[in-house]
Amino acid sequence: QQQVKQSPQSLIVQKGGISIINCAYENTAFDYFPWYQQFPGKGPALLIAIRPDVSEKKEGRFTISFNKSAKQFSLHIMDSQPGDSATYFCAASSGGSNYKLTFGKGTLLTVNP
Amino acid sequence: ETGVTQTPRHLVMGMTNKKSLKCEQHLGHNAMYWYKQSAKKPLELMFVYSLEERVENNSVPSRFSPECPNSSHLFLHLHTLQPEDSALYLCASSQVETGELFFGEGSRLTVL
Repeated sequence: QQQVKQSPQSLIVQKGGISIINCAYENTAFDYFPWYQQFPGKGPALLIAIRPDVSEKKEGRFTISFNKSAKQFSLHIMDSQPGDSATYFCAASSGGSNYKLTFGKGTLLTVNP
Repeated sequence: ETGVTQTPRHLVMGMTNKKSLKCEQHLGHNAMYWYKQSAKKPLELMFVYSLEERVENNSVPSRFSPECPNSSHLFLHLHTLQPEDSALYLCASSQVETGELFFGEGSRLTVL
């Protein structure tokens, strides 16, 4: 049973637009929520991560919004660029076992010039 | 340049072959992992070696056998695989205390 549900499966955005990817989880014990970015032919790389003691975390054009009561978190990419075109994975883990991540299925983002 | 190196990058094997995937990390981490990446499926954790302890996903078939001779090297031994085992196999490492995974570029496996 998938424990982290990610949507949409694919997303097309124009350059300069906002990309939004959503994830929902079921396990209330999850306490670490990272996002990974994967380019074709490469392994995933950590983009940004959040813990539930804050509702938002921003790093440059990338922001995670976290809603603990709704058990949802999302990635916002502001001023999207063609170089942001990649697959994005949300993930979650619990109890200090940060290395036992449960991943979503991924979102293929295409940013058109 | 990635601190996690995987070889081979591509592997084609028959169902009766025996092969191994190799992973090496140069980051001084204390945990190493094998993940399976299939199209339209979540990344699937197969095995973890952490602080000399092995943790495995019970759903992984016994035809996959990991080996971790030291904290820098990790192998995945493959034997009598099935076509549905065709996938990208990703190795990763981390410092258990911080949790960030560093992935290699993967080994693309095709089972004929």
